[in-house]
Amino acid sequence: EVQLVESGGGLVRPGESLRLSCAASGFSFSRCEMTWVRQAPGKGLEWVSAIGGGGDWKNYADSVKGRFTISRDNSKNTLYLQMNSLRAEDTAQYYCAARGLYYQYYMDVWGKGITVTVSS
Amino acid sequence: EIVLTQSPATLSLSPGERATLSCRASQSISTYLAWYQQKPGQAPRLLIYDASNRATGIPARFSGSGSGTDFTLTISSLEPEDFALYYCQQRLQWPLTFGGGTRVEIK
Repeated sequence: EVQLVESGGGLVRPGESLRLSCAASGFSFSRCEMTWVRQAPGKGLEWVSAIGGGGDWKNYADSVKGRFTISRDNSKNTLYLQMNSLRAEDTAQYYCAARGLYYQYYMDVWGKGITVTVSS
Repeated sequence: EIVLTQSPATLSLSPGERATLSCRASQSISTYLAWYQQKPGQAPRLLIYDASNRATGIPARFSGSGSGTDFTLTISSLEPEDFALYYCQQRLQWPLTFGGGTRVEIK
């Protein structure tokens, strides 16, 4: 069964750091682009970051550029999002999604999400 | 950045009625558009890709159309499980962007 499971969320203070993980199973992880998408409480979806299958390219939304770093360990079938200098506006549900597993360039498999709360 | 504008924000309909959701892009995106459905407390689910292709397992009552800057998601006859949020998303260029969403609610 194809599955993505996020972990590492929680409550942190502004300025602190957090690392999210996304464990993949049931598919050839290294062949798949991976993305992070977030959703602030009561708001719409916002794409955060993406990484190529081999980790050879990365893209970021302007809102997180310079603060967040996406990475992956294909030997562990795991995607990461290192989040530094967190702000209140980073509070959101964070989803990892596979891009192009079935449909090229589209986010076609999603994890259930993990909550990140940034508050003093 | 490509801005996607969805309308209406909320659609109030009864089961069995037809739903028509609109997504307009700030520049031409050919047919590089997806539609997602999201229910409360759940992750989004891909419904339509490349503007008009249904993803596996998506019922035939869902259909997508359009190209360039104007796109439509149609639900031909609403089932109780279709009342949810719907988002469009473009994949033409970075940053990937989503529309603000349309809520389909029970009238």
